[in-house]
Amino acid sequence: GQNIDQPTEMTATEGAIVQINCTYQTSGFNGLFWYQQHAGEAPTFLSYNVLDGLEEKGRFSSFLSRSKGYSYLLLKELQMKDSASYLCAAYTGFQKLVFGTGTRLLVSP
Amino acid sequence: KAGVTQTPRYLIKTRGQQVTLSCSPISGHRSVSWYQQTPGQGLQFLFEYFSETQRNKGNFPGRFSGRQFSNSRSEMNVSTLELGDSALYLCASSSTGGKEAFFGQGTRLTVV
Repeated sequence: GQNIDQPTEMTATEGAIVQINCTYQTSGFNGLFWYQQHAGEAPTFLSYNVLDGLEEKGRFSSFLSRSKGYSYLLLKELQMKDSASYLCAAYTGFQKLVFGTGTRLLVSP
Repeated sequence: KAGVTQTPRYLIKTRGQQVTLSCSPISGHRSVSWYQQTPGQGLQFLFEYFSETQRNKGNFPGRFSGRQFSNSRSEMNVSTLELGDSALYLCASSSTGGKEAFFGQGTRLTVV
C-alpha cells in the first residue's frame, strides 16, 4: 500500500525554527520530495532526497532516513511569507509522486 | 522560459457532463503527469504520459482518461461528471531523466 503521514497543521513565530515530519510507506521508493504550496498557487519544488542524510539549501534543509521511512523539512529564520502548505511526496518511479495531505504552516509575527 | 500552462483556470459543469482540461508543458519537457487535489485527500496521481504513451496510472475509474500529442501537450478528460469530481486538477511536466515535477496553476473544476 501507499501511505504518507505528516501533521495537518503547525504554527510558529517569525524568526523561529520549525521541523515538519513525514513518515512514508510505499511500494517502490526512489526518493523523497518536499514541495511548498501557497493558497491558490501551484506547488513549487523545495528539495529532493535520494540518499540518507541532510541536504541544506539556504534556510531550508531536508533529511531522509530510508531505513526508518522518515523525512523532515527544517525551516530556519521563519518569515511571514513561509506561511504555506508543505507537501511531502515519495517518488515511486515513472514520474509518479505519492503525496501526503500536506502540513499547513502558519507563521505569526 | 514559460512555465506549465493549464487551461481553463476555472470551470463549472453539471453532473453527467464531460469535461476536457488542457496542459502545455515547459518547452522541451516530454513527460506530463496529472494530479487531482482535494482538501481531504491531498494530491492524488491520475496518470503520466511520455512521448504520447501512458506509462503510469493511478487508482481512478475509467471515466478519467488522458492523452498526449506529438508536441507534448496533454489533455485530460472526465466523462459522466459526479459531484465528487470537484477538485483542483494539476498538471506537472518533467524533463527526460529528470525527477523534479514542475506544476501548473491548475484547473479548478466545480461540478454542480
